[in-house]
Amino acid sequence: SQTIHQWPATLVQPVGSPLSLECTVEGTSNPNLYWYRQAAGRGLQLLFYSVGIGQISSEVPQNLSASRPQDRQFILSSKKLLLSDSGFYLCAADSGGYLGQYFGPGTRLTVT
Amino acid sequence: AQSVTQLDSQVPVFEEAPVELRCNYSSSVSVYLFWYVQYPNQGLQLLLKYLSGSTLVKGINGFEAEFNKSQTSFHLRKPSVHISDTAEYFCAVSVIQAGTALIFGKGTTLSVSS
Repeated sequence: SQTIHQWPATLVQPVGSPLSLECTVEGTSNPNLYWYRQAAGRGLQLLFYSVGIGQISSEVPQNLSASRPQDRQFILSSKKLLLSDSGFYLCAADSGGYLGQYFGPGTRLTVT
Repeated sequence: AQSVTQLDSQVPVFEEAPVELRCNYSSSVSVYLFWYVQYPNQGLQLLLKYLSGSTLVKGINGFEAEFNKSQTSFHLRKPSVHISDTAEYFCAVSVIQAGTALIFGKGTTLSVSS
């Protein structure tokens, strides 16, 4: 089965600072990878997904970006954080839509 | 386009009572259906999924869900809940093709009290 690691677990950053969140996957190769953001009372919002190295699709235009430098590594970045970037960020992976997605433990980001 | 509606944002129940969390979806093509559970400050855990075949699907922790194609519903049920079932529950759909992200409902908070 797949195991997804995310770090850091929590992060407090000032407005305007950069961001880098990392996600790594074990137990599978060539997974589809996803970044979601969860804000209170708003469910999960898909931010990015990737079907392969260097292939990134953005679902929501904003000041965030994603990269996939290796098959099982997915990075979420920002050059300048906004207050509205606060939330719970979840990385997910699957090996085919019918299998369902496996989620990492999440990163709680607070922008002050 | 697909969409998922979870009809109740919050469901309070007493311990050992039955519970049903409702989910309706909209799609012009066939979909896979999922229920996830999220405990506070944790990631999502897959409870169960419907791919095809029997419309009654059994999952972990005593939960089950029934797929109703005519009503486009996928309601989650448990005959007797425990305090430990207190969590947020998400219904999701996926179009039947690889590399397609899940579309989630906004979640239902299940609160079980003694």
